[in-house]
Amino acid sequence: GNSVTQMEGPVTLSEEAFLTINCTYTATGYPSLFWYVQYPGEGLQLLLKATKADDKGSNKGFEATYRKETTSFHLEKGSVQVSDSAMYFCALSEVPRGSGAGSYQLTFGKGTKLSVIP
Amino acid sequence: DSGVTQTPKHLITATGQRVTLRCSPRSGDLSVYWYQQSLDQGLQFLIQYYNGEERAKGNILERFSAQQFPDLHSELNLSSLELGDSALYFCASSVSGAKNQPQHFGDGTRLSIL
Repeated sequence: GNSVTQMEGPVTLSEEAFLTINCTYTATGYPSLFWYVQYPGEGLQLLLKATKADDKGSNKGFEATYRKETTSFHLEKGSVQVSDSAMYFCALSEVPRGSGAGSYQLTFGKGTKLSVIP
Repeated sequence: DSGVTQTPKHLITATGQRVTLRCSPRSGDLSVYWYQQSLDQGLQFLIQYYNGEERAKGNILERFSAQQFPDLHSELNLSSLELGDSALYFCASSVSGAKNQPQHFGDGTRLSIL
């Protein structure tokens, strides 16, 4: 089936440090990949996406590249800020095995909590 | 603001009761999804509707049901509630449910079972 594995958190960094959150996936087909961010008390917000191999998604200084050969979609940011403190979720969109065509579902990793200290 | 509206924000009820959670998708979005978020299970897909029709089912219990109405809003009904049903329930929507379309999430309904 489809699954996403994220690095265990929590991750604590100092302001302006470099961030990497690892994400690998297993999928039955050729998924689209997403990173979502969740701030306390809020819903998930789309951070970035990539839909095919070697695509790079980017937004607000965050980047992730779709690596089909290593089935990975690692999230990076060159210089984190206190305001980046949140939960980060890697997700893939694909049809689960045995489901009908067009029934794309998001499968999420367990999330990584990031805390950035001044 | 994602444009997805969920009500109520909080619900406190007792075991054995029944509740209804409501979701209004973003304007123009035809597909609605429901997710459950808990500390032990993480984010779990429950069910998807597209333009009023059920399209996909995930880890949804038989005690739970949902529907999408002609105006495209959706309701998730949870019955015979158990302590383990305490969780955050999210609704999300997308334009057509295609693979490369991101889903836009509401702020969730926090359900507490006493």
